[in-house]
Amino acid sequence: DAGVIQSPRHEVTEMGQEVTLRCKPISGHNSLFWYRQTMMRGLELLIYFNNNVPIDDSGMPEDRFSAKMPNASFSTLKIQPSEPRDSAVYFCASSFYTGELFFGEGSRLTVL
Amino acid sequence: GQQLNQSPQSMFIQEGEDVSMNCTSSSIFNTWLWYKQDPGEGPVLLIALYKAGELTSNGRLTAQFGITRKDSFLNISASIPSDVGIYFCAGHNAGNMLTFGGGTRLMVKP
Repeated sequence: DAGVIQSPRHEVTEMGQEVTLRCKPISGHNSLFWYRQTMMRGLELLIYFNNNVPIDDSGMPEDRFSAKMPNASFSTLKIQPSEPRDSAVYFCASSFYTGELFFGEGSRLTVL
Repeated sequence: GQQLNQSPQSMFIQEGEDVSMNCTSSSIFNTWLWYKQDPGEGPVLLIALYKAGELTSNGRLTAQFGITRKDSFLNISASIPSDVGIYFCAGHNAGNMLTFGGGTRLMVKP
């Protein structure tokens, strides 16, 4: 079975540019999570969807970040405009039971 | 922010040695989980514990759910080079999000 699929795996962009990260969750899972990982702050939950509806976005850093889940098989995390401090690895995860998460391989973002 | 205290933060051990790491919390969790993150990859679930006092093994891995429901430990026996990575504990209560510990970075010297 295919796992959680994220794209791109690597993204290098310049400050001020728009960044869009994409995620395809595991088929049948009803929950989707976006995490950010940095050395300083570890794994941070940004936003969580249940049945395509955003449930908790309290972890979204600021208005520059937005996430959508138009259907059960696709989600995007957008940063506009991007800043150097947004550089991190962004993980998407899905689950049927919210405790047992299946993570994608991550999208490594570098903002110059 | 993170509410789980995971220790040690890092370990550098010789191949063949046993490893022990633990996680403590000021809050009660009904489920404890342990994940491993290989370099350049996403975390992968190793073991899930659902009952206080539960002891579960998965190959060379053994994990226990503390009786107080505020702690858990993970042991790895006879470490091998592919055990290298970051190990995360996580606590969960129904209806709430997973809370991750800060991770234990394990390095194994052949």
